[in-house]
Amino acid sequence: DTGVSQDPRHKITKRGQNVTFRCDPISEHNRLYWYRQTLGQGPEFLTYFQNEAQLEKSRLLSDRFSAERPKGSFSTLEIQRTEQGDSAMYLCASSSGGFGRRGRNEQFFGPGTRLTVL
Amino acid sequence: KQEVTQIPAALSVPEGENLVLNCSFTDSAIYNLQWFRQDPGKGLTSLLLIQSSQREQTSGRLNASLDKSSGRSTLYIAASQPGDSATYLCAFPANNTDKLIFGTGTRLQVFP
Repeated sequence: DTGVSQDPRHKITKRGQNVTFRCDPISEHNRLYWYRQTLGQGPEFLTYFQNEAQLEKSRLLSDRFSAERPKGSFSTLEIQRTEQGDSAMYLCASSSGGFGRRGRNEQFFGPGTRLTVL
Repeated sequence: KQEVTQIPAALSVPEGENLVLNCSFTDSAIYNLQWFRQDPGKGLTSLLLIQSSQREQTSGRLNASLDKSSGRSTLYIAASQPGDSATYLCAFPANNTDKLIFGTGTRLQVFP
């Protein structure tokens, strides 16, 4: 069990550029989540997948954000036309979720991708 | 709107003290609650998950309790060590989904 991995760990970009982040969940986990965390705050939910299906998207996820999980394994989060307000830590988590397991649905987080938009 | 409050926001203690971190929430229908640790600039490490049917969970020097009726969870850290210095976050799933609602955390510093 190698845990949740994220790539890159750090990204610096100029305003207006597009960026893409990757998340590889724990291999047997069917649920994958994206969160965003700004300095001094707790993480905020962005979106989550069960297998390849995107089940929920937060209102924080504007039209410039898109997430995919094409084969139910890794996921990508793309931000188009980045803005300085997008600067944050983007966290990915996975779990072996399901309604029958709800009480035991422990989420495990990756190391995060820190985005800085200049 | 569901809210999570963590008190205190920051705590600085000498090594060896027993600590209590508090988490208050407004949703009494939660079905589990997770405590996490976050080191500066790092991701989150899951410490404990308490299911709604449980009242306590223990892992090493950590003990977490859950009282749904009063909307409170506490994380007890015994015999604190400098390596315990980090931010501690509580979170629970919102509204019959699995998305986690987080508090803003308690920033703990344990000095030798």
